[in-house]
Parts: sequence; structure tokens; C-alpha cells
Amino acid sequence: QVQLQQSGPGLVKPSQTLSLTCAISGDSVSSNSVAWNWIRQSPSRGLEWLGRTYYRSERYNDYAVSVESRISINADTSKNQFSLQLNSVTPEDTAVYYCVRQRYSSSWYGMDVWGQGTTVTVSS
Amino acid sequence: DIVMTQSPDSLAVSLGERATINCKSSQSVLYSSNNKNYLAWYQQKSGQPPKLIIYWASTRESGVPDRFSGSGSGTDFTLTISSLQAEDVAVYYCHQYYRTPQTFGQGTKVEIK
Repeated sequence: QVQLQQSGPGLVKPSQTLSLTCAISGDSVSSNSVAWNWIRQSPSRGLEWLGRTYYRSERYNDYAVSVESRISINADTSKNQFSLQLNSVTPEDTAVYYCVRQRYSSSWYGMDVWGQGTTVTVSS
Repeated sequence: DIVMTQSPDSLAVSLGERATINCKSSQSVLYSSNNKNYLAWYQQKSGQPPKLIIYWASTRESGVPDRFSGSGSGTDFTLTISSLQAEDVAVYYCHQYYRTPQTFGQGTKVEIK
């Protein structure tokens, strides 16, 4: 059974960096049959896909244009986890953040495993 | 970006009756090389993350009751709950994964009448 365990601070000051980690159990961050995503949810923006990392002989990352200049998603194979860094945050980045798995087997599937969610508030 | 528009925003259905939710994408999400629609449906109950119930527009995720079904192709899709149960009260979202950025509908809240 695949599980994702999120960790990271729930309060971040404006202009600082939001950092979250997602520890994977039951699967591998280096698997070539999945992608590892970050998605956030807020009342104003709904569900918003932020980006993903996946491995297909080499590591790839895709990011949403809306956050492309501020975001970094990294995979740590030694700890079997991946992380989100979002720089220069503003109150508009306040949301519940989820790490999410998406399967791939000659075709993409839906997002089948979700972390528990981390409520992040951007406030001084 | 592909815009996903759901209708209605909310609906109230009697127990045992049918609930129907529509989702329209601003462009086709049908991948011609494998004839699969890259469209998923999720159920989100209060205080929980979304749960995948349908992918490829009509394939039920393992363990999902068969009262849930998905249909449609191209740009127009439907999620149907054939006989609403109390535990189906939730917000339902459609999601396209045909193209990045992946995008979601605004959600449809299903309640008991």
C-alpha cells in the first residue's frame, strides 16, 4: 500500500520560502511508472497543479507557468522522498498543499495517491 | 491552459435517486494515439484529500462502488451516481491530464435532499 507523508511548517512569512517534504512508502521516487506532483487547494483558486517530477531514464520536471519562476521540485533518492520549494511567497500562496502520485503505464492515469495535506498560511 | 467547467455548482438529490454532474473542457482531451480521454473524476469529503474514482473518463478505480460511472469523450463528460447513498455527500471534481498544466474543474457539491 502506497502512502505519502507530508511534513513542513504551517506558517511562512511573506517574501520567505515555503518548503515541504513528501516521504514515500510502498513505491520509489525513482520509479519510471509514476510522476510525483504537488497540488494546492484554496477557496479562491480551487485545485491548482503546481508541478511534478518523474524519471524516464533521466529526471524530468514540469512546472505551472504561474509559479515557474519561484518553484523547485526535487527528488531525494537516498531518503525516497520529494520536496517542494516555493520562493518569495505572498498571502496568495496560502493554501492546503498536497503531494500526489500519478501512475504511468504506456498511458497516464489519474492521481491515485494523495498525502494528508498541509495547511500553509503566509502571514507576518 | 485547458479550462474545465463543471455544472451544476451544487445539487441536492434524494437518497436512492440519480445524481449527474457535467464537465466540459475548453479543448479535446482525447489522446488519438491510444483513443483514451485523459479525464479523471475525484470525490472530496470534508477535511480529506480528493479521492480518485474514475480515470480515462470511464474506468472505475479499484474499490470504487459500481454506482459511480463516467462517460463522454472529447470535450464533454459526465459523472453519474446511479443511486445516491448518504456516504456520497461530497464535492466532486473533474481533472484533465492531457496537457500541462493539468487543470481541475471548480467542483460540484452533492447533498441529500
